[in-house]
Amino acid sequence: DVKVTQSSRYLVKRTGEKVFLECVQDMDHENMFWYRQDPGLGLRLIYFSYDVKMKEKGDIPEGYSVSREKKERFSLILESASTNQTSMYLCARTSSYEQYFGPGTRLTVT
Amino acid sequence: TQLLEQSPQFLSIQEGENLTVYCNSSSVFSSLQWYRQEPGEGPVLLVTVVTGGEVKKLKRLTFQFGDARKDSSLHITAAQPGDTGLYLCAGARQAGTALIFGKGTTLSVSS
Repeated sequence: DVKVTQSSRYLVKRTGEKVFLECVQDMDHENMFWYRQDPGLGLRLIYFSYDVKMKEKGDIPEGYSVSREKKERFSLILESASTNQTSMYLCARTSSYEQYFGPGTRLTVT
Repeated sequence: TQLLEQSPQFLSIQEGENLTVYCNSSSVFSSLQWYRQEPGEGPVLLVTVVTGGEVKKLKRLTFQFGDARKDSSLHITAAQPGDTGLYLCAGARQAGTALIFGKGTTLSVSS
């Protein structure tokens, strides 16, 4: 059974805080992704990684960074949270053609 | 530019009705996935199609990949309230790469 876990289901942070969203997968797969999902905009790719210490920008990387020190863990970092980063954040990993998602983190920035 | 156009955006039907959701693109994809998502949860993979013209069935759900691998459809027979949710199509240019998502179809089935 595929498992992608995210550290928090709900988070409330203040503007200007540094925020860490953690994602862990239980398979030995290289490819991991971070998306955000907003009403009317669908899922948009923030960053992805094909291997340890490797990262690539997605479609909307501004205001975000990532860290991949171990194969199973891919972290999304909001350096200075802003209200427009209030969203549902989804982590995923791929197995050949198929992409499996974690349960999501609902982040609210006030 | 939205590379994957999904329609309809909203669908509200009665239990027992049939429905079809469409996912169209001018681009060719190596594979196409369909997901179902409930509020507050991550998308759950329903099916992956990789061959042009491929048809896959999952109980009352039938998925088809177009011959040219540019479009796909999801047909639900005799919809039930448990089918309610957000249905997403997503395409991959190559295996293992990031997916391109449609904006989704919100389905509501009432009893």
